[in-house]
Amino acid sequence: DAGVIQSPRHEVTEMGQEVTLRCKPISGHNSLFWYRQTMMRGLELLIYFNNNVPIDDSGMPEDRFSAKMPNASFSTLKIQPSEPRDSAVYFCASSLRQGVAGNTIYFGEGSWLTVV
Amino acid sequence: GESVGLHLPTLSVQEGDNSIINCAYSNSASDYFIWYKQESGKGPQFIIDIRSNMDKRQGQRVTVLLNKTVKHLSLQIAATQPGDSAVYFCAENNSGGSNYKLTFGKGTLLTVNP
Repeated sequence: DAGVIQSPRHEVTEMGQEVTLRCKPISGHNSLFWYRQTMMRGLELLIYFNNNVPIDDSGMPEDRFSAKMPNASFSTLKIQPSEPRDSAVYFCASSLRQGVAGNTIYFGEGSWLTVV
Repeated sequence: GESVGLHLPTLSVQEGDNSIINCAYSNSASDYFIWYKQESGKGPQFIIDIRSNMDKRQGQRVTVLLNKTVKHLSLQIAATQPGDSAVYFCAENNSGGSNYKLTFGKGTLLTVNP
């Protein structure tokens, strides 16, 4: 079975450019997460969707970040304009239903973003 | 705010030895805990979980221990293999609060020497 699919796997972009990260969750999963991982801050939840609706975006750093989930099989995380401090690995994850307990969250392989 | 932390950032063991990775948590409302394994260049992968009504849970070669009195969690890996080399994260969740939210620790790098 295909897991969570993310693209691009790696991106290097110049400061000020728009970055769009894409995610295809596991088919049938109703919950989708975007996480950011850095050495300094570890894994941080950016935004959580349930049934395509954003439930919690309190982790989104600032207005430069936006996320959408137009349908159950696709989500995007956009950074505009990008800054060097946005360099990180961005993970998309999905789970069958809301609630972590007893409900495995599956992570994608990540999108490695470098902003120069 | 409350957070999950790790005692040891790195751990080096010999192949075949047992490994113990520790984690301290401070949110007394957390009632569900997970250990994840993250190999280089990959996303975190679920290893084992435990609810707060238990103090021990065993899987295949792995055991998680929970001590709620001192808010401590550990992951024991038996007969550690080179394939176990990875970063291990503990994560906590309050199923009665924001039940979707996991708070991750910073991670411990486990290196297995052949």
